[in-house]
Amino acid sequence: GAVVSQHPSWVICKSGTSVKIECRSLDFQATTMFWYRQFPKQSLMLMATSNEGSKATYEQGVEKDKFLINHASLTLSTLTVTSAHPEDSSFYICSAAGLAGRPYNEQFFGPGTRLTVL
Amino acid sequence: QQQVKQSPQSLIVQKGGISIINCAYENTAFDYFPWYQQFPGKGPALLIAIRPDVSEKKEGRFTISFNKSAKQFSLHIMDSQPGDSATYFCAASRIQGAQKLVFGQGTRLTINP
Repeated sequence: GAVVSQHPSWVICKSGTSVKIECRSLDFQATTMFWYRQFPKQSLMLMATSNEGSKATYEQGVEKDKFLINHASLTLSTLTVTSAHPEDSSFYICSAAGLAGRPYNEQFFGPGTRLTVL
Repeated sequence: QQQVKQSPQSLIVQKGGISIINCAYENTAFDYFPWYQQFPGKGPALLIAIRPDVSEKKEGRFTISFNKSAKQFSLHIMDSQPGDSATYFCAASRIQGAQKLVFGQGTRLTINP
């Protein structure tokens, strides 16, 4: 149990375009989903926290108009990088929490999405 | 006060040896301390986690030692194997509330055959 998937696993896009990344909890209903960004050889940086049906809570310094998060159901959250630029190139990872019988804040991570903006 | 400091940044251990990674935190409200393992190009995977009501937790070759008074916790990997070569992250969180994980800086572990 506790499988989280992401799609796509990698994406290359041109500068100025928008890219949508999906995060799905495959075998449990996630009360909360999280979006992280990771640069090479660095730690995970939390971008935002989202609950189903609610607006996402963004971390300080993260542009909410650039990184749009939609949490439409208990098993799906999406991150849209709008008007992407080369500096947005990174590894984006989602996680999900709320597996029944587990600590409330135990997070299960997806495999990540490598975004390259040309 | 939200920081989790992790050391060392990199570690090389011989096969069969013990790998030890340390973390320290400041926020005494933290009550959940997981360790994650990450392979290149993959998402982190939960290895083992501990609550502050116990001083040690063991799962197979992985052991967390927790020192509440010192606000430190460590990961011990016994009989380290080349397949353990990965980046390890400690983290801390509160069970209640926003559930956010605060991650350490990561340790790149290399197990030499």
